[in-house]
Amino acid sequence: GQSLEQPSEVTAVEGAIVQINCTYQTSGFYGLSWYQQHDGGAPTFLSYNALDGLEETGRFSSFLSRSDSYGYLLLQELQMKDSASYFCAVRDTGRRALTFGSGTRLQVQP
Amino acid sequence: SQTIHQWPATLVQPVGSPLSLECTVEGTSNPNLYWYRQAAGRGLQLLFYSVGIGQISSEVPQNLSASRPQDRQFILSSKKLLLSDSGFYLCAVSSRDLLPEAFFGQGTRLTVV
Repeated sequence: GQSLEQPSEVTAVEGAIVQINCTYQTSGFYGLSWYQQHDGGAPTFLSYNALDGLEETGRFSSFLSRSDSYGYLLLQELQMKDSASYFCAVRDTGRRALTFGSGTRLQVQP
Repeated sequence: SQTIHQWPATLVQPVGSPLSLECTVEGTSNPNLYWYRQAAGRGLQLLFYSVGIGQISSEVPQNLSASRPQDRQFILSSKKLLLSDSGFYLCAVSSRDLLPEAFFGQGTRLTVV
């Protein structure tokens, strides 16, 4: 099966940088992805890493180390609108469904 | 681009009543379709996924069932709701080439009373 672990909550101030970690265990691996979910809304796709290294998309970057079964989402120049829950997810080669972590609630303070 | 229609947005149902939630997808063909449930403040639990018409995989034994009568239609059902069925139900779609990008509908917030 698959399991993912991420911190339950992170707090940071506007303009700061925050890193949300994710460790995973999966039989087979086809990449780590990240989703953002605002309260009451649906999750939206942020980024995806299939290979080791850093992927940058604007203020958001995502990193993967397959040898460590570890990844992180890096949010820079934090804005109040970044307050949301962030989920890491894996989709292994055996199953055709995404398994999500329990989510990290990010609170951005002024 | 894909569009996911999921309705209703909110639903209050008594214990023991039936349930039918429908999800339809536009802008793609032969998609993988998923039903997830999210309890308040929690992660997303995969309930069912489907890789084709009539093909349903159940992830968690429960009071729910799913059907896919058409390529772009996915239905979540229950014959008798339980209090524990309350939650936020999300339909999702992804392409068949195993890219880990899924698109979600806006969800149905179900409260069983």
